[in-house]
This record gives sequence, structure tokens and C-alpha cells, in this order.
Amino acid sequence: NAGVTQTPKFRILKIGQSMTLQCTQDMNHNYMYWYRQDPGMGLKLIYYSVGAGITDKGEVPNGYNVSRSTTEDFPLRLELAAPSQTSVYFCASSLGQGALEYGYTFGSGTRLTVV
Amino acid sequence: AQSVSQHNHHVILSEAASLELGCNYSYGGTVNLFWYVQYPGQHLQLLLKYFSGDPLVKGIKGFEAEFKSKFSFNLRKPSVQWSDTAEYFCAVNAGTSGTYKYIFGTGTRLKVLA
Repeated sequence: NAGVTQTPKFRILKIGQSMTLQCTQDMNHNYMYWYRQDPGMGLKLIYYSVGAGITDKGEVPNGYNVSRSTTEDFPLRLELAAPSQTSVYFCASSLGQGALEYGYTFGSGTRLTVV
Repeated sequence: AQSVSQHNHHVILSEAASLELGCNYSYGGTVNLFWYVQYPGQHLQLLLKYFSGDPLVKGIKGFEAEFKSKFSFNLRKPSVQWSDTAEYFCAVNAGTSGTYKYIFGTGTRLKVLA
């Protein structure tokens, strides 16, 4: 049981490039989330999904896109990378409402630098 | 709107000292409260959680927290160890229908000196 798997672990992008951060979970969790973590700022929610085919914006969605074609996968896409997107990105999943007591399971993170 | 405040941004303690990290939240309804820990270079892990019942909850590694009616959920440990060096995040979920996401505090970075 791998939990939540994120790839890549590290990436350096040039301004204007695009990339997709991959996130896969094998726990059959309905709910998945993308957060970014910046020093002293805590975690900010970018996008979340309550099930396949359903996504919604979080606190800081600008510059990002997501899709949820399957229960397992929740990729995050950066179309035109900007230095402000330099951050550590965490994917997380949870069973969902009614089982929120289990909290989130987090992936190991992707450290992205935009230069 | 919900918000979570952690006023201690950095805490330095010697081993065996007692720990209390503050967490204040603003929401008057039913809340679910969490503490997560992030060890250096690792992802966040659930430390403890409160949903209902006994307001004193015990988590892993000797940590505990108490749910108080005046919107606080402080994390405590009687005697810290060097291995407790990490960043600690408080999180709140309103627990109402349609609310699926947690609000995280800005984190408290704890350094324990050997």
C-alpha cells in the first residue's frame, strides 16, 4: 500500500515553461487536494476534488489547473511558470466527509524552483 | 470565515523541557481539530485529532491537546526530545455539510537542543 505518491520530487523550470505535477493514491480515497507550502505561510490550498470529474478552486488557484479523470490520479498543471510559483507542493487525500476523522494522507512533496 | 492562528513561529527548547504550542481558531460551530507534524525533509503526518467527546486527546509520541470552548487547541508535551525537532501545524475543519477542506495555521518551527 503506497499511499499518496508524488512525482517528481524536485524540478527546476524556466519562466514561461509548463509542467505537470503528478499525484496518485491507491487508498480509494474520494477526496484529493493540492497545497503549496511557503516558508512562514503554512499550507495554502490550490485546488481540491471530491471525486472523479469534480474539481474546485481553493485559496490560491491562479496559474494552476487540475483534472480528475480517475479516482486515483489528480495531476496539477502549471501552464506558464512564474517565479512566484517557486514552492513545495503537497498532494493529499482523504476518505471524505463522514470519515474526516482520519485526516489527510500527504504525499512526500515536490520542490519546484522557477528561474 | 474560518481562520487558524499559530502565534509562536519559532520555539527553541532544551531536552526534557515542557512544550505548549498555541493554536487559536475562529469558528463558532462544530469543529474538527488536528495537529500535524512535519519532520525535516518529510511530508506532514497526523499527530492527533479531536472530533467530539473527551476534550483531552492524546496523540502519538506523547503529545496531547485539549479542546477548549474559547477557540483554542494547544499542543502539549511534558518532556520534549531532540527527535521532536520539526514544524507543527494546527488545522481546522468546520465539519459542516459541504466543507471538505481544512484550514491550516502558518506553522510553528520547534528546535530542541540536545
